[in-house]
Amino acid sequence: QVQLVESGGGLVKPGGSLRLSCAASGFTFSDYYMYWIRQAPGKGLEWVSYISGSGSTIYYADSVKGRFTVSRDNAKNSLYLQMDSLRAEDTAVYFCARDRAAARHFDYWGPGALVTVSS
Amino acid sequence: DIVMTQSPDSLAVSLGERATINCKSSQSVLYSSNNKNYLAWYQQKPGQPPKLLIYWASTRASGVPDRFSGSGSATDFTLTISSLQAEDVAVYYCQQYYSTSVTFGGGTKVEIK
Repeated sequence: QVQLVESGGGLVKPGGSLRLSCAASGFTFSDYYMYWIRQAPGKGLEWVSYISGSGSTIYYADSVKGRFTVSRDNAKNSLYLQMDSLRAEDTAVYFCARDRAAARHFDYWGPGALVTVSS
Repeated sequence: DIVMTQSPDSLAVSLGERATINCKSSQSVLYSSNNKNYLAWYQQKPGQPPKLLIYWASTRASGVPDRFSGSGSATDFTLTISSLQAEDVAVYYCQQYYSTSVTFGGGTKVEIK
């Protein structure tokens, strides 16, 4: 069965860095676009970044452009999000999600990883 | 970005009764070349990730009970739960995927009256 599991969340000071990972299993990882989507505490959902199956196409939300870097290792069935220059407003649960059919909606989500940016 | 506005923010419905959630987009999400509405609905229970319920505005995702249905076109959409069950208590989100920069509505919390 399809599984996505994030790791790497935690508490970091403003201006600091963190790297999230998402381990995928149960499907051919390289066939799918993958997304990072976040949810601030008690708030709604915000798209952060996506990457194509080959890694050749990458997009970022304006709110994270220039600070976050998405990547993937298809040999390891893993998705990554390198987060630099973190701000308090980046505090959120970060979900990795599978794009159902390269159509930009999401049929499987991980349980999420909490990132807290605070001094 | 396309702004998605949901209403109401919350609603309380008796068990077995109908729940209706509305979603309005700031511009049409109907793609004329394939006549498809680029609109999805998700259910999120506390402490869990969202679950895909509906895509293409009205197609139920695999395993979703048929009491959930989606309707609407262009800018106005509705998610209907025909007979509310206790396990349907959750926050529901609409999402447009017409644009590369996907956006979500603010969510509607459904509770039992």
